[in-house]
Amino acid sequence: DAKTTQPNSMESNEEEPVHLPCNHSTISGTDYIHWYRQLPSQGPEYVIHGLTSNVNNRMASLAIAEDRKSSTLILHRATLRDAAVYYCILRLQGGSEKLVFGKGMKLTVNP
Amino acid sequence: SAVISQKPSRDICQRGTSLTIQCQVDSQVTMMFWYRQQPGQSLTLIATANQGSEATYESGFVIDKFPISRPNLTFSTLTVSNMSPEDSSIYLCSVAGRQLYEQYFGPGTRLTVT
Repeated sequence: DAKTTQPNSMESNEEEPVHLPCNHSTISGTDYIHWYRQLPSQGPEYVIHGLTSNVNNRMASLAIAEDRKSSTLILHRATLRDAAVYYCILRLQGGSEKLVFGKGMKLTVNP
Repeated sequence: SAVISQKPSRDICQRGTSLTIQCQVDSQVTMMFWYRQQPGQSLTLIATANQGSEATYESGFVIDKFPISRPNLTFSTLTVSNMSPEDSSIYLCSVAGRQLYEQYFGPGTRLTVT
């Protein structure tokens, strides 16, 4: 599986937008970009995924660079509940459903 | 979505003993996964469990240490055998959703080996 690189941690303020970056320079044309997050003392939860086009859902937006070598998860208004470890993961289209987690990035939201 | 429960939620065990962790899903699913999360670390996939076939183990994990059962489409167990303090971790099961792009995770079983 191709590798992703994320900052170890980020801080944001409540009710402000926050942009979480992810680099995946070795991404292949058939890799989907997935984001999961893990709230304290819980299992991970799916956030969003995309292939080439930007994606929006009720939780977040995913902006994918034109060359697909990087992507950004956007939380439009951070809340205290968004404090979590965020994982950017590449998954091969049509491949195994298994997820290979990297180290992730810890987001702290300040009140 | 799928709702997943795990039993026990936590346990403290003596070294050399074994613990079986149960994972129950509220709907039938094809693929189930078992992960380990060591203290302060990310998740590591142990194995993929398909109903009716042997589990597929990832590099570094063996069946003798982590036997898995998958008797039906809603249930699986993971046994941590001959435990040592290094096995102290959170063990999580997950399932692939109907849309396949989404996985749902259980709350985890926190295991401490003394």
